[in-house]
Amino acid sequence: QKEVEQNSGPLSVPEGAIASLNCTYSDRVSQSFFWYRQYSGKSPELIMSIYSNGDKEDGRFTAQLNKASQYVSLLIRDSQPSDSATYLCAGQMNRDDKIIFGKGTRLHILP
Amino acid sequence: DVKVTQSSRYLVKRTGEKVFLECVQDMDHENMFWYRQDPGLGLRLIYFSYDVKMKEKGDIPEGYSVSREKKERFSLILESASTNQTSMYLCASSSFGTSGAYNEQFFGPGTRLTVL
Repeated sequence: QKEVEQNSGPLSVPEGAIASLNCTYSDRVSQSFFWYRQYSGKSPELIMSIYSNGDKEDGRFTAQLNKASQYVSLLIRDSQPSDSATYLCAGQMNRDDKIIFGKGTRLHILP
Repeated sequence: DVKVTQSSRYLVKRTGEKVFLECVQDMDHENMFWYRQDPGLGLRLIYFSYDVKMKEKGDIPEGYSVSREKKERFSLILESASTNQTSMYLCASSSFGTSGAYNEQFFGPGTRLTVL
C-alpha cells in the first residue's frame, strides 16, 4: 500500500451540494494530516491541518480523521464552481516526520 | 502571511545548460524543500534542507544539486539540463513543531521549466 492514497477522480458534484474527498493512509504515516487545494497551473495552497481524531471545521470546509480506519476526508459544503481544483492529501511519515503527498483528486463543481 | 517566492514563473533552457532556480521565504522557517510535479506522478521530493548549509536527498535527487547559504534562500541547480527535466518545480518551506516534527509546508508559485 502506498503511504497516502487518493482516488484521482474526476469527482463531479453539483453546485450547492456537499463534496466529499477521501484519502487513506498506511501504517507508515502518523497523526498529522493536511489538505491542499491546487488550481490548474498554480501551486498547492494549504486549506486545513488535522492532528486529532474527529472533525475540524473551518468555514465551508470540514476535515475528518479516523485513525482506526486510517482515513482522512475533506467535506466541502455548499460547493461553488470556484472549488473546482485538485485536492492533495498529505500525511506525516512515522520514521522521519517527512510530509508525503497523495497524487490528488480532481474535483469538478457543475454549475 | 507566509510568503515563498521563486525567481521565475517560466523558464526555457537548452539541453546541457546549467540552470539555477531560486527560492526565498520570509517566515524564518528552518526547513525548505524542492519538488517537481508532473502529470500522473504527483509531487516528488528532490532535495530538502533543515538548516543552513545542510541538505538531504529526497526521492529523485539525480541530476540536481542544491545550495543553502542563508536561512531564507534555497537554490536548486540543474548541472546539465536534459529534456526529461522539463517540469513544474515547486519550492516549499516549513517550521519545526514543538515536538520537533515538521509542520505544514507552504509553497511558492512554482517555476515551469522547459528544456529544449
